[in-house]
Amino acid sequence: AQSVAQPEDQVNVAEGNPLTVKCTYSVSGNPYLFWYVQYPNRGLQFLLKYITGDNLVKGSYGFEAEFNKSQTSFHLKKPSALVSDSALYFCAVRDYNNAGNMLTFGGGTRLMVKP
Amino acid sequence: NAGVTQTPKFQVLKTGQSMTLQCAQDMNHEYMSWYRQDPGMGLRLIHYSVGAGITDQGEVPNGYNVSRSTTEDFPLRLLSAAPSQTSVYFCASTQTGGGETQYFGPGTRLLVL
Repeated sequence: AQSVAQPEDQVNVAEGNPLTVKCTYSVSGNPYLFWYVQYPNRGLQFLLKYITGDNLVKGSYGFEAEFNKSQTSFHLKKPSALVSDSALYFCAVRDYNNAGNMLTFGGGTRLMVKP
Repeated sequence: NAGVTQTPKFQVLKTGQSMTLQCAQDMNHEYMSWYRQDPGMGLRLIHYSVGAGITDQGEVPNGYNVSRSTTEDFPLRLLSAAPSQTSVYFCASTQTGGGETQYFGPGTRLLVL
């Protein structure tokens, strides 16, 4: 079985400050890890993914995430937050051996960036 | 490319009514899936398909049916709507081969009275 936990329902950060949105996962094999963002009344948009290779993954809109196998984490980061980054963020995982390529999503973290 | 499209955008049903949520993709992806999104629960997988003619159940399949007669289309049927099915429904298609990135449609907001 595979699962994802996003321990924070909401993260508040001031514009210009660094931000971190936390994600931990559980899979029986090797993980494929994803971050998606959802703006109000919109579908999910892909931000970045970790498949293999470098543990630091860079994605869209200046976001990056670090894969930490020992801590089973894949935290999303950005050096300088923008008000326009305010949205709902989802972490997702798939076990490499999971047939059908279906993802398991975390419950989501709402990011609020204040001017 | 339109990507993943969903219709309708919003629907109100009465308990016991049936309806079909439409989903289509023009990216020639083999894998497609349906999720429901409820507050605080993230996205939960309802059904998925790994190709035309092949479907399987996800985490919350009860009350829903799917079929996949073509690569492009993956409709979701509610057989007898219940208030517990009030939710936002997202269809996704998956780019396989070195990526497995899922592309989502804009969603269908369903209210069951």
